[in-house]
Amino acid sequence: QKEVEQNSGPLSVPEGAIASLNCTYSDRVSQSFFWYRQYSGKSPELIMSIYSNGDKEDGRFTAQLNKASQYVSLLIRDSQPSDSATYLCAVSTNAGKSTFGDGTTLTVKP
Amino acid sequence: GAVVSQHPSWVICKSGTSVKIECRSLDFQATTMFWYRQFPKQSLMLMATSNEGSKATYEQGVEKDKFLINHASLTLSTLTVTSAHPEDSSFYICSAREDILYEQYFGPGTRLTVT
Repeated sequence: QKEVEQNSGPLSVPEGAIASLNCTYSDRVSQSFFWYRQYSGKSPELIMSIYSNGDKEDGRFTAQLNKASQYVSLLIRDSQPSDSATYLCAVSTNAGKSTFGDGTTLTVKP
Repeated sequence: GAVVSQHPSWVICKSGTSVKIECRSLDFQATTMFWYRQFPKQSLMLMATSNEGSKATYEQGVEKDKFLINHASLTLSTLTVTSAHPEDSSFYICSAREDILYEQYFGPGTRLTVT
């Protein structure tokens, strides 16, 4: 079992829809959770960080964390074609290195 | 937001030569930096963790004598690929971790081609 698991996709949604990206992790002492976006041929870009249970919203993005279920998700509202990218989930214990999932490829169709 | 620069953005070198890649955190200090390699359509692969003032910690299977890492200051880490071979051709990406929220910020990457 991988330490951080994501559906590889591809996930395809129509423009304007909500895209839902999921991630599970195995280390129960994990304390920091991150979502990165990576466009093809580019390096990852941090888009959301979440540290406590519940929802965290930033613009069209909402991160959700449930530590009891070891589950973190990212919702993208009003998806745009420019959101088409690979989304990486990363999990770390504080001061430890982050463990990245393999990523979910999202395609938003006009 | 936090900015990490990486230089050069791309480099072509001949087999057997060495290449140095610089990674700088421009607006924050980073005790810890990371070096990754990524092949086309594959996942990020962590190569090593670099701590300022101490030796880097390499992941299993990464040759420390081939990939030399120096974290000389709180804003600069370098990766030197020694005696490069065509199989070392890849996309090398550094990241710097800020010390309060432990968020990692990535540099733009260096595309290395060894001929």
